[in-house]
Amino acid sequence: GAVVSQHPSRVICKSGTSVKIECRSLDFQATTMFWYRQFPKKSLMLMATSNEGSKATYEQGVEKDKFLINHASLTLSTLTVTSAHPEDSSFYICSARAQQGHTEAFFGQGTRLTVV
Amino acid sequence: DAKTTQPPSMDCAEGRAANLPCNHSTISGNEYVYWYRQIHSQGPQYIIHGLKNNETNEMASLIITEDRKSSTLILPHATLRDTAVYYCIVRVAANAGKSTFGDGTTLTVKP
Repeated sequence: GAVVSQHPSRVICKSGTSVKIECRSLDFQATTMFWYRQFPKKSLMLMATSNEGSKATYEQGVEKDKFLINHASLTLSTLTVTSAHPEDSSFYICSARAQQGHTEAFFGQGTRLTVV
Repeated sequence: DAKTTQPPSMDCAEGRAANLPCNHSTISGNEYVYWYRQIHSQGPQYIIHGLKNNETNEMASLIITEDRKSSTLILPHATLRDTAVYYCIVRVAANAGKSTFGDGTTLTVKP
């Protein structure tokens, strides 16, 4: 299957700082990328849909000013957690859908964010 | 996405077939059945998907009932590395990537 890479895989930051997570499609162009978060022992929850060249669409209850999403190219989307607090500690996962011909999307390996 | 129901957990002996059921009685005609798995602390991994015909790939087989209200994912020879949470998701193909994940089935493969 296609490869989606997230960076970093693990990050620890201080409360009040911002953290940027990158999601890259390595061998295909992704017009749409999706960001999920997952709390311990819980399922994935969709946060937002990121379309290349346009504003992201956020799910209900997700603060757009808190979780800034940029999809500047067909291979890169970034999620920035601004003014992070301990409650933002979570596992963040992206997925990417190919431009055409695919009925499938592929997931990154996830980023473990710990805010101290 | 149509709602799916999966057992919370299952055990399987190493080397035996693992059969994971999923009920999706409200599935629509244009919705596919997708299966993913998530090994601890990793992103979900795509396994297989199908519309109405049975499907097989190098990882698994997918059996969909004729009325499409339920399906079974079959791992023919389970290994310890198949221990994971398995998610059954029903959605239209156009929504690839935008998935509603339920609680899934935690499959534990035992030696």
